[in-house]
Amino acid sequence: EAGVTQFPSHSVIEKGQTVTLRCDPISGHDNLYWYRRVMGKEIKFLLHFVKESKQDESGMPNNRFLAERTGGTYSTLKVQPAELEDSGVYFCASSPLIPVRNTEAFFGQGTRLTVV
Amino acid sequence: AQKITQTQPGMFVQEKEAVTLDCTYDTSDPSYGLFWYKQPSSGEMIFLIYQGSYDQQNATEGRYSLNFQKARKSANLVISASQLGDSAMYFCAMREGGTGTASKLTFGTGTRLQVTL
Repeated sequence: EAGVTQFPSHSVIEKGQTVTLRCDPISGHDNLYWYRRVMGKEIKFLLHFVKESKQDESGMPNNRFLAERTGGTYSTLKVQPAELEDSGVYFCASSPLIPVRNTEAFFGQGTRLTVV
Repeated sequence: AQKITQTQPGMFVQEKEAVTLDCTYDTSDPSYGLFWYKQPSSGEMIFLIYQGSYDQQNATEGRYSLNFQKARKSANLVISASQLGDSAMYFCAMREGGTGTASKLTFGTGTRLQVTL
């Protein structure tokens, strides 16, 4: 069974540009989470999808970030325009609709975003 | 208020020795789950071990064990027989709500472990 997959693994963009990160959850997982770790700080929650609906977007830093999950399958996270402080590693995780114990524990390999 | 506290920014351990990484948590929810992750320099998040708040026994996974002290709200990770490949960042995390509740993980600031010869 394929795990959570994220694209790209690395992205280097200039300040002011737009970047779109993608997350493919484990097949059949309705819950999808985005997190990020910025500049060696702790890992922070960004938002939570249940299928195509945003269940909790309390962690989204500002309106330069837009997350979508059309059709309830893969999700994209767009940063527009990117700022220097957006640099960090963006992680995605997924779990079944009714998670059991540690089923939401599994993360993708992350996208390392560098804004220069 | 911090929900997950990892007070050790860095730790050193000699190869083949055991090491304990500290984690305390704060929640008023009676149902919660505690997780430990390893993040090597390559960046991926590797799930290590899970402890549910109602679990009667401490979790173990190979060389990893979780010293769960519920009354003290601590969930320390014990790595036995350390290996050079254990050098990495280690994160403690908590999910509030019991089994069947989908919710976000809250992470600590991490501990960088360095295993020496």
